[in-house]
Amino acid sequence: AQSVTQLDSQVPVFEEAPVELRCNYSSSVSVYLFWYVQYPNQGLQLLLKYLSGSTLVKGINGFEAEFNKSQTSFHLRKPSVHISDTAEYFCAVQFITGTASKLTFGTGTRLQVTL
Amino acid sequence: GAVVSQHPSRVICKSGTSVKIECRSLDFQATTMFWYRQFPKQSLMLMATSNEGSKATYEQGVEKDKFLINHASLTLSTLTVTSAHPEDSSFYICSAIDPGSSGGGSSYNEQFFGPGTRLTVL
Repeated sequence: AQSVTQLDSQVPVFEEAPVELRCNYSSSVSVYLFWYVQYPNQGLQLLLKYLSGSTLVKGINGFEAEFNKSQTSFHLRKPSVHISDTAEYFCAVQFITGTASKLTFGTGTRLQVTL
Repeated sequence: GAVVSQHPSRVICKSGTSVKIECRSLDFQATTMFWYRQFPKQSLMLMATSNEGSKATYEQGVEKDKFLINHASLTLSTLTVTSAHPEDSSFYICSAIDPGSSGGGSSYNEQFFGPGTRLTVL
C-alpha cells in the first residue's frame, strides 16, 4: 500500500536549537518527495522537493532534507530554528504512476519554537 | 513564482444554502487543478482533480452531487458546496499545476497552492 507517515504530531523546540521532523513513506513505485509549511489560516508553501539526483536537498528558510531510499524516509532538518518557524509542516509524496500529479500528504507535524 | 488565488477567503452561510469558491491561476494557465479539504488540526485530503474542459475526477467517498466542480477556463476552477450543512465546515484549498515548471522528467509539474477558504456553515 502507498502511504505517508509523520510520526510526530508535535515537536517543541527552543529557539536556536536544531530540529528534525520525520517522514516515512511506503511505496511500490518511484516517488517524488516534498515538504510544505502552512502558517495559520493560510495555504501551503513549498519548502523543498526531491525529484532525482543528490539525496540531500536544500530548501528555503535554511531547511534541508535527506532522501534515504533504503529506509524510505525523507526527514526535514534545520540546524538552528527561529520563532518564526513555528508552523505546521507537511510531508507529501507523489507516487509516480503516469497519471495526474496527485499528492498524498502526511498528517502533519506542529513545530512549536519557544524562547 | 506562480500565484494561485482563492475567493472568498472566508464565508459563513446558513445550513441548506449553496456556496461557490473560486480558484484562479493568476500568471499561468492551469490545465489541471486540485481541490483539497482540511479539517482542524488535520492533513489535506484530496477531494477531486479538475481538468479544463472535462468532468472532474472525484476521490472515493466524495459526493459528486454535493461538491460541484467546474473548470471552465485555463485560469479558473470553481467548487460549489450545494445544500451545505455544518459538517461541511472546513478549510478548502485549491492547487494548480503550472505546466511550465516541469523538472525531473515529464511526470513532474509543480503544484502551487491557493491561500485557502474557510467555510463555516451555521
